[in-house]
Amino acid sequence: QARLVQSGAEVKNPGASLKVSCKASGYTFSDYDIQWVRQAPGGGLEWMGWINPKHGGTNYAQKFEGRVTLTWDTSTSTAYMEMTSLRSTDTAVYYCARDRSVVWLDPWGQGTLVTVSS
Amino acid sequence: QSALTQPASVSGSPGQSITISCTGTSSDIGTYNYVSWYQHHPGKAPKVLISEVSYRPSGVSNRFSGSKSGNTASLTISGLQPEDEADYYCSSYIRFSTYVFGTGTKVTVL
Repeated sequence: QARLVQSGAEVKNPGASLKVSCKASGYTFSDYDIQWVRQAPGGGLEWMGWINPKHGGTNYAQKFEGRVTLTWDTSTSTAYMEMTSLRSTDTAVYYCARDRSVVWLDPWGQGTLVTVSS
Repeated sequence: QSALTQPASVSGSPGQSITISCTGTSSDIGTYNYVSWYQHHPGKAPKVLISEVSYRPSGVSNRFSGSKSGNTASLTISGLQPEDEADYYCSSYIRFSTYVFGTGTKVTVL
């Protein structure tokens, strides 16, 4: 069945950049968008953006425009989320999820804990 | 875009039914029938319970049901069980292929 496996936890200094990977298996990678969502400590889920691996289209929440770049590699069925200029408020668990339909996210990756601290 | 509004917490006894509301605006829930609900146990990946307002994906217990009226969507959990204790989030399509989550509701089984 469909599965998403994300890269491991990261610790970053403020101002650094981050790249999280999300490797898909069990389905045709290019057939579905990949969504990215994060959850800060004690907070709720926050939508970040999506990428369409077939057409290369992307869309970002206004909050992340210019600081987040979503990319993909069809040859390895892997999606990537890159974030620059990290700050302490970016400390969160980052999730990728397959978008089966509009806002029907299934499955989700296991999450990647990112800690931004000096 | 502000988060959709959910009650911070809802509780119930085993076997009871509870309903979680998710209030948006005429720009999101009120216009689009693209509302999903997710169950999130801390430390685990979220799990979809309902998509497109009331569609229950295969494998999801029929104790979970969704509905919508105007700008408010609702998730009902019938026959509450201890394993239902978790955080629940709604999500909606907004416009221009953007999305928003709700503020989240902590469900406690008494």
